[in-house]
Amino acid sequence: EAGVVQSPRYKIIEKKQPVAFWCNPISGHNTLYWYLQNLGQGPELLIRYENEEAVDDSQLPKDRFSAERLKGVDSTLKIQPAELGDSAVYLCASSLGGEGDTQYFGPGTRLTVL
Amino acid sequence: EDQVTQSPEALRLQEGESSSLNCSYTVSGLRGLFWYRQDPGKGPEFLFTLYSAGEEKEKERLKATLTKKESFLHITAPKPEDSATYLCAVQARSARQLTFGSGTQLTVLP
Repeated sequence: EAGVVQSPRYKIIEKKQPVAFWCNPISGHNTLYWYLQNLGQGPELLIRYENEEAVDDSQLPKDRFSAERLKGVDSTLKIQPAELGDSAVYLCASSLGGEGDTQYFGPGTRLTVL
Repeated sequence: EDQVTQSPEALRLQEGESSSLNCSYTVSGLRGLFWYRQDPGKGPEFLFTLYSAGEEKEKERLKATLTKKESFLHITAPKPEDSATYLCAVQARSARQLTFGSGTQLTVLP
């Protein structure tokens, strides 16, 4: 079975430019998460989707970050405009849902803002 | 606020030298404690979930244990391919997201 797919794997942009990341979760997983991971740190949640609904976006910097999950499957995370401090790895994870459900992570997108 | 602290930050072992990684946590009602392995340039790979104090789980050379305040990941006779960063995370009953520690970077020398 295919795992969580993310693209692109790497992205280098100039500050103030827009950037978008795409995620395809494991088939049948209703819950989708976007995490941010800085170097030497553990992942931190940005937003969680239950099907198409964003149910926890309290950590998402809404002035520049946006996300969507159309049809409850694929998801896109966008940054506009990007800042130097946004350089990090953006991880997507998915889970079935329910008690003690396990989150499975994609390979991540490494963003470098120059 | 849920918190996870992992120690040591880095650990170097000789092949075959057993050791343990520590994960101390505070959480408002534990739903589950998770261990992940992360290789450079890759996403975290799921290893174990522990739900209650006293629970233990094993996979090859790894064994995870859980108390009310901490979890240990025991590595028995490690091999160089066990080299990776090991992440611990907690999930509270009131939330779905994971709160991660900063990880322990394990290096096993041949």
